[in-house]
Amino acid sequence: AQKVTQAQTEISVVEKEDVTLDCVYETRDTTYYLFWYKQPPSGELVFLIRRNSFDEQNEISGRYSWNFQKSTSSFNFTITASQVVDSAVYFCALSDSFLVNSGNTPLVFGKGTRLSVIA
Amino acid sequence: DSGVTQTPKHLITATGQRVTLRCSPRSGDLSVYWYQQSLDQGLQFLIQYYNGEERAKGNILERFSAQQFPDLHSELNLSSLELGDSALYFCASSVATGFVDTGELFFGEGSRLTVL
Repeated sequence: AQKVTQAQTEISVVEKEDVTLDCVYETRDTTYYLFWYKQPPSGELVFLIRRNSFDEQNEISGRYSWNFQKSTSSFNFTITASQVVDSAVYFCALSDSFLVNSGNTPLVFGKGTRLSVIA
Repeated sequence: DSGVTQTPKHLITATGQRVTLRCSPRSGDLSVYWYQQSLDQGLQFLIQYYNGEERAKGNILERFSAQQFPDLHSELNLSSLELGDSALYFCASSVATGFVDTGELFFGEGSRLTVL
């Protein structure tokens, strides 16, 4: 069975600090995709990144970076020089199949990490 | 704006009642998903439809049902409501080409249901 664990329930940092959100996943499949979503106080879920299991290259997008390590089944998310607008709940998610008629659960989410950035 | 529209945004009702939540996916997206977000359970997958047909089922109660119509909009029906059904219900759609889904879900803003 698939499982995503975000051990950090809440994190509080001061503006301009760097912060890393941890994500550990479990799956028996060799082909899978990992995601990060952001849920700001307004409530909507915003897609941040998708990474497939064959691509272990780290990715950087502005102040955001992701570290994917298959050896430890982790897909961690780092925000550099955090800002108040980064305050949100961040979800890590896993999907093991993109066959629409496969019957597999499309996305399994972790319970989220609430990040508070204080000015 | 994700392009996924959900109505109503807020709904307050009493136990035992029935409500219908509506979702219009992004233009061209054939897959629609329903998720429930509650404080203690996090984001739970309920059900998925692809081009009008049910494709995957998650932790959806028997009191809940859904369907996807020919115009691809979807409705989630919740009946015999209980206090514990209070939650944020998200609809999402995805780009699906043929039978392959790229996996990136675009979420609506959610429908917040409060059962009193």
